[in-house]
Amino acid sequence: NAGVTQTPKFQVLKTGQSMTLQCAQDMNHEYMSWYRQDPGMGLRLIHYSVGAGITDQGEVPNGYNVSRSTTEDFPLRLLSAAPSQTSVYFCASRKTRSSYEQYFGPGTRLTVT
Amino acid sequence: GNSVTQMEGPVTLSEEAFLTINCTYTATGYPSLFWYVQYPGEGLQLLLKATKADDKGSNKGFEATYRKETTSFHLEKGSVQVSDSAVYFCALTAYSGAGSYQLTFGKGTKLSVIP
Repeated sequence: NAGVTQTPKFQVLKTGQSMTLQCAQDMNHEYMSWYRQDPGMGLRLIHYSVGAGITDQGEVPNGYNVSRSTTEDFPLRLLSAAPSQTSVYFCASRKTRSSYEQYFGPGTRLTVT
Repeated sequence: GNSVTQMEGPVTLSEEAFLTINCTYTATGYPSLFWYVQYPGEGLQLLLKATKADDKGSNKGFEATYRKETTSFHLEKGSVQVSDSAVYFCALTAYSGAGSYQLTFGKGTKLSVIP
């Protein structure tokens, strides 16, 4: 039981490049979400999904796309990276949309130059 | 909207000192309250939770009591260890519609414990 896994752990992009941050969970959780963590800002919700085929925007969705074709996977796409997207990204999951406990992945540290 | 305010860090303590990290919240309805901990280089882990007023959450020697009258959920530990060095996040969940509960985080407080 691996929990929530994220790849890659580190990534450096040039401005304008695109990439996909991968997230997977093996707990059969319905609810998955992406956060970014910036110094002094805490964690901010980017996008979330309450089940396969359903996604919605969080607090800071601009510049990011998501899809949820399976229960297990919830990739985050940066279509045209900008320096403002330099951050640590965390994927998280919980059993249902009304569950209390949320499980976090180990994070991806992204630098955009 | 919902919000969580926690004390600014960083906090530096000597081993075996008493720890308090203050947290207050604003929320509509009846939120559940949480403390998460993030060790260096890792994701967040749930440390403790309280789901209704006057509940006390506890884990690994840490405690926090849900105080509705003061809208607070302060984290305490009687004797900190070097291994407690981490960033601590106060958080709440509140109903956001369509059967969903959204998690709102404070900005985090970095704790360093020195031997």
